[in-house]
Amino acid sequence: SQTIHQWPATLVQPVGSPLSLECTVEGTSNPNLYWYRQAAGRGLQLLFYSIGIDQISSEVPQNLSASRPQDRQFILSSKKLLLSDSGFYLCAWSPRGNSPLHFGNGTRLTVT
Amino acid sequence: GQQVMQIPQYQHVQEGEDFTTYCNSSTTLSNIQWYKQRPGGHPVFLIQLVKSGEVKKQKRLTFQFGEAKKNSSLHITATQTTDVGTYFCAGPVEGSSNTGKLIFGQGTTLQVKP
Repeated sequence: SQTIHQWPATLVQPVGSPLSLECTVEGTSNPNLYWYRQAAGRGLQLLFYSIGIDQISSEVPQNLSASRPQDRQFILSSKKLLLSDSGFYLCAWSPRGNSPLHFGNGTRLTVT
Repeated sequence: GQQVMQIPQYQHVQEGEDFTTYCNSSTTLSNIQWYKQRPGGHPVFLIQLVKSGEVKKQKRLTFQFGEAKKNSSLHITATQTTDVGTYFCAGPVEGSSNTGKLIFGQGTTLQVKP
């Protein structure tokens, strides 16, 4: 069966420090991969999505970037964190097409 | 731009009471999905509705997709404390084809008093 791993679970980082969040999927090939952010326990905002290796689309201009160096690996990065980057970051995958999303456990990021 | 709106934002009920959350899209959707997020957890897929007027049931949960495929509802009969959480509806982003991109509603947070 398919599983999705996301780490770390929690992270406290100072303003101006770099960020790297990693997500991997097992048990499937060529998944669509997504990074969402949830602020203050509310709605989900799509940040990036990827339909293949090195194929990344950004949904909103921001201080973050994403990379997909391998088929089942998706990385969210920042060179210098801002206070406004705090939030709950969720990685998700889906098969090709209009299929449901499967979310990882998320990373709670606090920028101080 | 495309919007998906949910009401109410919060709902407090006594255990055993019914609960309904409504989802409205600014555009016609090819399908609508519902997710549940427990406090401190991640969203978990509940169901997908595809057909106009479709009704699906999962035990005490009843999901409906409107005739115009622009609205949906989730109704929980006789709520239990295990129903606590935030319920999100989501639909495909316009023009997203096979990317699987979804636009989520803001969610309805359900609190159940035992």
